[in-house]
Amino acid sequence: QKEVEQNSGPLSVPEGAIASLNCTYSDRGSQSFFWYRQYSGKSPELIMFIYSNGDKEDGRFTAQLNKASQYVSLLIRDSQPSDSATYLCAVLNTGGFKTIFGAGTRLFVKA
Amino acid sequence: EAGVAQSPRYKIIEKRQSVAFWCNPISGHATLYWYQQILGQGPKLLIQFQNNGVVDDSQLPKDRFSAERLKGVDSTLKIQPAKLEDSAVYLCASSLLLGDTQYFGPGTRLTVL
Repeated sequence: QKEVEQNSGPLSVPEGAIASLNCTYSDRGSQSFFWYRQYSGKSPELIMFIYSNGDKEDGRFTAQLNKASQYVSLLIRDSQPSDSATYLCAVLNTGGFKTIFGAGTRLFVKA
Repeated sequence: EAGVAQSPRYKIIEKRQSVAFWCNPISGHATLYWYQQILGQGPKLLIQFQNNGVVDDSQLPKDRFSAERLKGVDSTLKIQPAKLEDSAVYLCASSLLLGDTQYFGPGTRLTVL
């Protein structure tokens, strides 16, 4: 089992729709969870992070964390073509010193 | 605030040659990371420094890869000798503290022929 698993996609949604990106992790004691966005040929950049169970909203983005199910998700409301990118889930391990990245989910938003 | 700097941006070498990458983190950031990202995959951590000490290098192929962070600021990653499978983007990132948000440099795209 991979430490951090994501569906590689591609996930295709129409403009204006909600995109839902999912991530599961194996380290039950993981502490912090990050979502990074990576445009083709560019470096990852942080979208948001979440530490506590529940939802965290930032503009059009909502991160959801369920530690009991070892599941974290990212919702993108009102998806725009400019949201087309690879979304990387990253998980900070139990010891709090190592961040593991998933392979990423490619998202395409069709105009 | 200046971001993470990396050089070179692109490098093409032949197998068995050596290559070195340089990274200068954001000022004040104690933690520095080197990742290898192969096309279509997520970043794979090679080595992580806290100041000038190594926190984790469990996935660094130590027979051919080496890295150092002298004086706890900038860092170099070296590959000697390179193999075809080393073709990838090498990303450097830094964070203020261990476990914090990471800020990535532009990366170095390495092609080994």
